[in-house]
Amino acid sequence: AQSVAQPEDQVNVAEGNPLTVKCTYSVSGNPYLFWYVQYPNRGLQFLLKYITGDNLVKGSYGFEAEFNKSQTSFHLKKPSALVSDSALYFCAVRDGGQAGTALIFGKGTTLSVSS
Amino acid sequence: DAGVTQSPTHLIKTRGQQVTLRCSPKSGHDTVSWYQQALGQGPQFIFQYYEEEERQRGNFPDRFSGHQFPNYSSELNVNALLLGDSALYLCASSLSYSPYEQYFGPGTRLTVT
Repeated sequence: AQSVAQPEDQVNVAEGNPLTVKCTYSVSGNPYLFWYVQYPNRGLQFLLKYITGDNLVKGSYGFEAEFNKSQTSFHLKKPSALVSDSALYFCAVRDGGQAGTALIFGKGTTLSVSS
Repeated sequence: DAGVTQSPTHLIKTRGQQVTLRCSPKSGHDTVSWYQQALGQGPQFIFQYYEEEERQRGNFPDRFSGHQFPNYSSELNVNALLLGDSALYLCASSLSYSPYEQYFGPGTRLTVT
């Protein structure tokens, strides 16, 4: 069964420091991986995706993610955190070997950036 | 260009009642997916509609049903509401030929008392 795991419920980082939000996945075929961000009382906003190609994917708002097939991970990163980055982050996966485009989401990681 | 819109924003219902939630996809998008997000959890896929047909369905009971109209807008219906149906219901739209990016609406907060 397809799944994603976000092992940290919360990540705390000081403004200006680099941040990493972790995600691991499990799929039977090639993974299509996504990161979304959710602000309070808002829907999800798309940040970036990995379908194929370079293992380092660049996305919106200065975020990037590194795909690691051997470790089945897709960690979200940013070189310098902003207070405005504080939000709930979701990793999601779609199994590229199956029909349909349903996304399987992790439980989410709350990112808190302090000034 | 309007994004995905959902109505109503909030809704309070009583156990056993029925509810209908509505979604208008992003302009030009022909595929609509519905997700349920319980408090403190990630969204869970309910079903997806394309060309007015249910194309894919998640692990939800038959009490959850949907419809897609010729203009691509969609409805989610839930019958015989349970307390456990209280959640944020998210609609996402995408293009059938470019399904990798799903654009989400702000959601409808359903409270069942």
